[in-house]
Amino acid sequence: DAKTTQPNSMESNEEEPVHLPCNHSTISGTDYIHWYRQLPSQGPEYVIHGLTSNVNNRMASLAIAEDRKSSTLILHRATLRDAAVYYCILRDPGNQFYFGTGTSLTVIP
Amino acid sequence: GAGVSQSPSNKVTEKGKDVELRCDPISGHTALYWYRQSLGQGLEFLIYFQGNSAPDKSGLPSDRFSAERTGGSVSTLTIQRTQQEDSAVYLCASSFQDLAGGEQYFGPGTRLTVT
Repeated sequence: DAKTTQPNSMESNEEEPVHLPCNHSTISGTDYIHWYRQLPSQGPEYVIHGLTSNVNNRMASLAIAEDRKSSTLILHRATLRDAAVYYCILRDPGNQFYFGTGTSLTVIP
Repeated sequence: GAGVSQSPSNKVTEKGKDVELRCDPISGHTALYWYRQSLGQGLEFLIYFQGNSAPDKSGLPSDRFSAERTGGSVSTLTIQRTQQEDSAVYLCASSFQDLAGGEQYFGPGTRLTVT
């Protein structure tokens, strides 16, 4: 089964860029890569997703390796409100969901 | 507009009792998902609905767990003969379609405590 692995925790200084890595070495060709984040005591919220090409939206950028075995979520300028657990998720058309362990991001003022 | 709502927000029950958790998805969303999150853990997928059918029930942890969805809208997750290990936050999410690339919108969750 496809799985993802992420570092348990990371720290970043406020207003600096953050690169959150995710490994998914057994990804299949039809798996989409999703990122969600979860603030304390809240349900997860969507951040970004992609299949093969890099993606940008108002929240973040997603850089996908050429072999798709890893990806990086990029927060261009971390704020205190970005402190959360970030989940890297694979989703295939067969509707199986594979959540990573999540990375707890601490933003230092 | 209204987001995904779940009820109750908190539920305390005695071991061995049955519980029903409810999820109201966003209007027009055809896909609905249930997850479980134990304290300090990541999300565990339970079941997914496309319309009223559940093509994937593989995440249900035991036969004490069941879920249904009627009218392509509201869903209930039922846990029979609850055990202490069932204590967790149960999260529901919905999306427009069951597309692998679709964004899921999560509800606030139901915190279940089995004493």
